[in-house]
Amino acid sequence: EAGVAQSPRYKIIEKRQSVAFWCNPISGHATLYWYQQILGQGPKLLIQFQNNGVVDDSQLPKDRFSAERLKGVDSTLKIQPAKLEDSAVYLCASSSMETGGSYGYTFGSGTRLTVV
Amino acid sequence: DAKTTQPTSMDCAEGRAANLPCNHSTISGNEYVYWYRQIHSQGPQYIIHGLKNNETNEMASLIITEDRKSSTLILPHATLRDTAVYYCIVFRTDNYGQNFVFGPGTRLSVLP
Repeated sequence: EAGVAQSPRYKIIEKRQSVAFWCNPISGHATLYWYQQILGQGPKLLIQFQNNGVVDDSQLPKDRFSAERLKGVDSTLKIQPAKLEDSAVYLCASSSMETGGSYGYTFGSGTRLTVV
Repeated sequence: DAKTTQPTSMDCAEGRAANLPCNHSTISGNEYVYWYRQIHSQGPQYIIHGLKNNETNEMASLIITEDRKSSTLILPHATLRDTAVYYCIVFRTDNYGQNFVFGPGTRLSVLP
């Protein structure tokens, strides 16, 4: 099966600019996650979707970050305006609870954001 | 916060077994132990998971203690390509609201 697709792979922007990331999960996976990974740290959850509804966005900085998952398939994560501390890798993952989540999550390769 | 503790880093000689420990003393009865690894510039990759019994697949073996408070991931014949950060995670598979909480993991360096 095809994996989780993310784009772009790399992005460099100036602070106060806006940026958007795109994720296409594995077909049929109802649950989609966005994680932020700062260099040297483990990934940190930003938001979790179940179909097109938000399950957990408690760690999403809502003053500047937003995410949507229209039609319960693809998802976009936006940052506006970006700060220097937003420099990180943004990982998208998906999972299927119908299989009991037995294999946990499948992650994409991530988008590396550099804010200068 | 992550419910697991792991050593920050480990070294292993190529061709030898790599044994990566993980403590999860507060694990609940319905929580699985998952292991993922992250090779540089890639997303985390699934390795193995288990509940109570020891598990083995083509990548690794997972040994869970009888009291389930700790586990060990074993890579039987480590290669240079196994150099990565290894994450141990406890997780319920029957709860839509739960999600993976990652700690800093163990950085494994396989040395030639």
